[in-house]
Amino acid sequence: KQEVTQIPAALSVPEGENLVLNCSFTDSAIYNLQWFRQDPGKGLTSLLLIQSSQREQTSGRLNASLDKSSGRSTLYIAASQPGDSATYLCAVRPGNFNKFYFGSGTKLNVKP
Amino acid sequence: DADVTQTPRNRITKTGKRIMLECSQTKGHDRMYWYRQDPGLGLRLIYYSFDVKDINKGEISDGYSVSRQAQAKFSLSLESAIPNQTALYFCATSGTGISGYTFGSGTRLTVV
Repeated sequence: KQEVTQIPAALSVPEGENLVLNCSFTDSAIYNLQWFRQDPGKGLTSLLLIQSSQREQTSGRLNASLDKSSGRSTLYIAASQPGDSATYLCAVRPGNFNKFYFGSGTKLNVKP
Repeated sequence: DADVTQTPRNRITKTGKRIMLECSQTKGHDRMYWYRQDPGLGLRLIYYSFDVKDINKGEISDGYSVSRQAQAKFSLSLESAIPNQTALYFCATSGTGISGYTFGSGTRLTVV
């Protein structure tokens, strides 16, 4: 069974700092990996989707990388802002498509 | 309009009542999912459906049932609601191939 781990569980940084969120998974036979943002009590908003054949994806200040062989993905946030405060989740889609496996998330607080 | 619409957004119901949560989508995706989210437990899969004639149990299907009325509609029912079913419920869709998940905004269900 695929296990997805996100470290750290919580992170607090001052505004303007660049930061990295980590996601690791135990089975490298994945189809793709998706990063989400969730605001308290709200739905999940897709940030970036990386296919297994890709090494990274970028959207604005966000950059997600994927290293399948080592079972790792990172989400890099440049020049963090208070509006980036949210919980960030990664989800892994295995090769057999049955379901996505979610990490438990990293709760980010960006202090003004 | 949202790609994935969940109704109701909030619901308070009494123990023992039957309740239905509805999900409709305009993504044209074949695959639909129901998840529940609890603090500290992350997202857990209840049921999923890969097409109108395909229904599969997830990790925590006991006490729940689903109906796939059409490609675009997937409903979740709680046959006899109990307080530990109080949670945030999400519907999600995905396509085949390289697509990721799209989530609805969620239904906050409270069973008293």
